[in-house]
Amino acid sequence: DIVMTQSPDSLAVSLGERATINCKSSQSVLYSSNNKNYLAWYQQKAGQPPNLLISWASTRESGVPDRFSGSGSGTDFTLTISSLQAEDVAVYYCQQYYSTPTFGQGTKVEIK
Amino acid sequence: EVQLVESGGGLVQPGGSLRLSCAASGFTVISNYMSWVRQAPGKGLEWVSIIYTGGSTYYADSVKGRFTISRDNSKNTLYLQMKSLRAEDTAVYYCARGRYYGSGTYCFDYWGQGTLITVSS
Repeated sequence: DIVMTQSPDSLAVSLGERATINCKSSQSVLYSSNNKNYLAWYQQKAGQPPNLLISWASTRESGVPDRFSGSGSGTDFTLTISSLQAEDVAVYYCQQYYSTPTFGQGTKVEIK
Repeated sequence: EVQLVESGGGLVQPGGSLRLSCAASGFTVISNYMSWVRQAPGKGLEWVSIIYTGGSTYYADSVKGRFTISRDNSKNTLYLQMKSLRAEDTAVYYCARGRYYGSGTYCFDYWGQGTLITVSS
């Protein structure tokens, strides 16, 4: 199985500041035939199920604020929240779907 | 509106069995790739099983041979039959709709609220 490793495990960011979460896969999740990265990001708020934010490493889901952006390719990916809002407090997970799905361990985002 | 509502969770002794249900609305289970994903208390997410539109089923190694995924098209409901339960199966079990991209690749675009299974004597 592909192992997904996120960093940091947690971070505290001031309101309006940038939050950056990293995700590294143990092997490339870039499909050469279509040049797509099989990588998704989810947000999980306390007591709620995960919510799909981004697929294909950088494609935001409908309704997701544009302060959320995804980038990266191959084995290294980043989720950026450009201006942290109070409602963004959550745990964020990356997931690869290049093969049997696996998730990162999660990154907890809090307000400083 | 897409909705997934799980039920059937509870306390079960090690070695016991339990069946989870996931009632879907707003779409048909048979036309979608339906999955179970679990989350141990305070831990991350672990994919458990999926059933394809054609009926093929797949399982995580950790549950293979003990769990069975199925669906009832007339009830538009997904199931997870769990047997030989272990303490490490303790988790919130989420029903999730898979967004299928072909060749066995999928992410999860809708999730239920989850149902808690506690395996303990």
